[in-house]
Amino acid sequence: GIQVEQSPPDLILQEGANSTLRCNFSDSVNNLQWFHQNPWGQLINLFYIPSGTKQNGRLSATTVATERYSLLYISSSQTTDSGVYFCAVGQTGANNLFFGTGTRLTVIP
Amino acid sequence: KAGVTQTPRYLIKTRGQQVTLSCSPISGHRSVSWYQQTPGQGLQFLFEYFSETQRNKGNFPGRFSGRQFSNSRSEMNVSTLELGDSALYLCASSSTGFEKLFFGSGTQLSVL
Repeated sequence: GIQVEQSPPDLILQEGANSTLRCNFSDSVNNLQWFHQNPWGQLINLFYIPSGTKQNGRLSATTVATERYSLLYISSSQTTDSGVYFCAVGQTGANNLFFGTGTRLTVIP
Repeated sequence: KAGVTQTPRYLIKTRGQQVTLSCSPISGHRSVSWYQQTPGQGLQFLFEYFSETQRNKGNFPGRFSGRQFSNSRSEMNVSTLELGDSALYLCASSSTGFEKLFFGSGTQLSVL
């Protein structure tokens, strides 16, 4: 399967700070999604972004498929942003996703 | 529109027993996928169903099985439970299986 590496593994931020999370993958993909897992285990879909750039409020994401990476930007972080952020990828013709090991974000007030 | 609903939320079983987990997808979604999350292995794909047919299966033993009903609701079954089956089991739905996935809250299974 595809190898998905996320960095950094852990991140601690002061409320109001900005951050960039990175996702590298080992093969061509046509499906890339970013998720936020809250402390109760719920996985929330943030972006479906196999290529290009998208923005949703304080969050934005960019995927450069030809260079096999994606970035998730969080601006003006809030304590509710705390949790684990996962990148997941899938290949053409396949509907299963390969997940990275996640970035654990802690936002302190 | 209601989200993906998984029941039960928590389950405690003993080794050797079997368990059935249930997932109701978002209305109109025909694809249901199941994932297992453990601290050691992370999130791993179990299987995917579309219109009552299993289209894809991950690398799990035959003790893990599933099915989908005509109303798109899905169940997964684990027989002869082992301690290593303790995990958070997550169900996700999508329209066709190839786009944005929406996950349920999961079922936390503990095997004693």
